[in-house]
Amino acid sequence: SQKIEQNSEALNIQEGKTATLTCNYTNYSPAYLQWYRQDPGRGPVFLLLIRENEKEKRKERLKVTFDTTLKQSLFHITASQPADSATYLCAWRNTGTASKLTFGTGTRLQVTL
Amino acid sequence: NAGVTQTPKFRVLKTGQSMTLLCAQDMNHEYMYWYRQDPGMGLRLIHYSVGEGTTAKGEVPDGYNVSRLKKQNFLLGLESAAPSQTSVYFCASSPGQEAFFGQGTRLTVV
Repeated sequence: SQKIEQNSEALNIQEGKTATLTCNYTNYSPAYLQWYRQDPGRGPVFLLLIRENEKEKRKERLKVTFDTTLKQSLFHITASQPADSATYLCAWRNTGTASKLTFGTGTRLQVTL
Repeated sequence: NAGVTQTPKFRVLKTGQSMTLLCAQDMNHEYMYWYRQDPGMGLRLIHYSVGEGTTAKGEVPDGYNVSRLKKQNFLLGLESAAPSQTSVYFCASSPGQEAFFGQGTRLTVV
């Protein structure tokens, strides 16, 4: 079965720096990789999606890359702010009618002044 | 437009009791999901549905049942609650790509 691994449980960075979070998958090349943000006591909120035939996707200060050779997606937050502090989840979705959505364990990002 | 609404938000059950968690979405999405979230374990898929009248098992289905009689509702049932089912439960719906989550149900089984 597919495994989604987010190796860093926590990441601390200084305000203004770029945060880079890693998501690795083990087996099948996913149709889509998605990134979500989760704040304490809340449900995850969708941020970005990247397809397997895309190398990079951007949205404001967010950038996602996808490397099918390395079986890895990188999530970048540029010019990070304390308000970016949250847990970030990577999720894999396959194609077809049995469309499961499988999540990694998440990386908790703390942006300090 | 309420999005995804979960009922109840909090519940304490005694071991052996049963209960049903309700998830309702008003976005006409085909796909609906139930997850549980435990510290260090991330979101684990319990059951999911790809359309009205259909259900399928996820990663951790034991001890849970689901039904999707109406497209907008996805019910999660615990027939005989166990302390191991203490968790935060999230429901999500999806039109096919990104998922929209409810606010969660915190369930404690004592």
